Amino acid sequence: AQSVTQPDIHITVSEGASLELRCNYSYGATPYLFWYVQSPGQGLQLLLKYFSGDTLVQGIKGFEAEFKRSQSSFNLRKPSVHWSDAAEYFCAVGGTSNTGKLIFGQGTTLQVKP
Amino acid sequence: EAGVAQSPRYKIIEKRQSVAFWCNPISGHATLYWYQQILGQGPKLLIQFQNNGVVDDSQLPKDRFSAERLKGVDSTLKIQPAKLEDSAVYLCASSLVADPYGQYFGPGTRLTVT
Repeated sequence: AQSVTQPDIHITVSEGASLELRCNYSYGATPYLFWYVQSPGQGLQLLLKYFSGDTLVQGIKGFEAEFKRSQSSFNLRKPSVHWSDAAEYFCAVGGTSNTGKLIFGQGTTLQVKP
Repeated sequence: EAGVAQSPRYKIIEKRQSVAFWCNPISGHATLYWYQQILGQGPKLLIQFQNNGVVDDSQLPKDRFSAERLKGVDSTLKIQPAKLEDSAVYLCASSLVADPYGQYFGPGTRLTVT
C-alpha cells in the first residue's frame, strides 16, 4: 500500500538559515510526488511536484526538492528561510494511474525564529 | 480567478447532531474532492466526483457520511449523526479533468463535535 512518512513533526530554524524537510514514501513504482504548504486558516497550496525527468525540482517561493529513488525520499529544501515560511508542510504521493488520489504524510510544522 | 469557496468556515455541534458543508469549485473544474484533516494528520480523501458522478468513495464512512453534487458544480457533504471523532477540518478541492493532480484547495470548514 502507498504511504508517506514525514519523520519530523516540528522543526525550528532561524530566519536566514537553510531548511530541509524530510519525506519518505512507500510505493510499488515511481510515484508522482508533491509538496504542499498550509498556512493557518488557509487551504493547501502546491509548492512543487515531481512526475518524471530531472530529479531536482524547482517550486514556488524559492523551494526545491530532490527525488532519490534509492532512498525512496523526496526532501524539500530552501537555502534561506524567511519568517513568512512558518507554516505546516505536507508531502504527498499520487499514483501514476492519474486518478488524482493523493496520500498525504502527517505534516511537519515549521517555526522560524527571528 | 475566484478560488474554491467553502462554507461555513467553523461549526460546533453536539454528538448525534447532523451537519452539512458546502463547496463551490473553481469555474470549469469538473472534478471535485472532499478531504478530512484530523488535527495532527495529513488530509485524507473521502470522496471524489467527476461532474455529478462518484469516482472514488472508498474511504467515506457511508453509515454516517453522504455527499452529493447534483448539478455537477457545487457539492454538499453531510454527517448524520456526528461522532466526537468527526472533529476535523473538511477540505474541498477541485481540478480540471485533464489535470487531476492540479488540485486547488478551499480554506476548509473546521468542525468541532462536543
